[in-house]
Amino acid sequence: AQSVTQPDIHITVSEGASLELRCNYSYGATPYLFWYVQSPGQGLQLLLKYFSGDTLVQGIKGFEAEFKRSQSSFNLRKPSVHWSDAAEYFCAVGDLSGGYQKVTFGTGTKLQVIP
Amino acid sequence: GAGVSQTPSNKVTEKGKYVELRCDPISGHTALYWYRQSLGQGPEFLIYFQGTGAADDSGLPNDRFFAVRPEGSVSTLKIQRTERGDSAVYLCASSPSGNELNTEAFFGQGTRLTVV
Repeated sequence: AQSVTQPDIHITVSEGASLELRCNYSYGATPYLFWYVQSPGQGLQLLLKYFSGDTLVQGIKGFEAEFKRSQSSFNLRKPSVHWSDAAEYFCAVGDLSGGYQKVTFGTGTKLQVIP
Repeated sequence: GAGVSQTPSNKVTEKGKYVELRCDPISGHTALYWYRQSLGQGPEFLIYFQGTGAADDSGLPNDRFFAVRPEGSVSTLKIQRTERGDSAVYLCASSPSGNELNTEAFFGQGTRLTVV
């Protein structure tokens, strides 16, 4: 069965500093990978997704993620964090083996941004 | 509407009571998903609808949970004899189709259920 591990429960960074959120996945075939963001009181919003092709994926809000098959990782990065990026971030893996898009989420990483 | 709408946004109920949670998906979206997000956890899959039918209900935790989508649009998640362990945020998502990965699922803001 597919699974996702986000090893960092909570991360604190200074505004303007770079950010990397870790994600490791377990999946038997070519994975389909996502990053979502959840702000307080808001629904989950898709930041970016990887299906195939270029392993460096650009998303919204200046985020990017790199798929590394050898490390089973899909880490999320941002060169300069803004205070508005404070939120919870979820990595997810999806598959179509059941005939529909089934997505499994990680437990999330809560990002705190300090001035 | 412009997005996925879930009502109510908050629901407090007494243990043993029956509750209904409503999801209005984006118009025209045939695929609809329910997830449950417990405190400190990521969303966990409950059930998937394609049109009116529940194509996969393997995530429903037990027979106290049931969901319907009678006309292929609005869906209702029903929980009987609620227990304190049912307290969580229930999320609904919809997408244009369920059988393609290259379609985005749009999430509602969720219903926070508290069982006291």
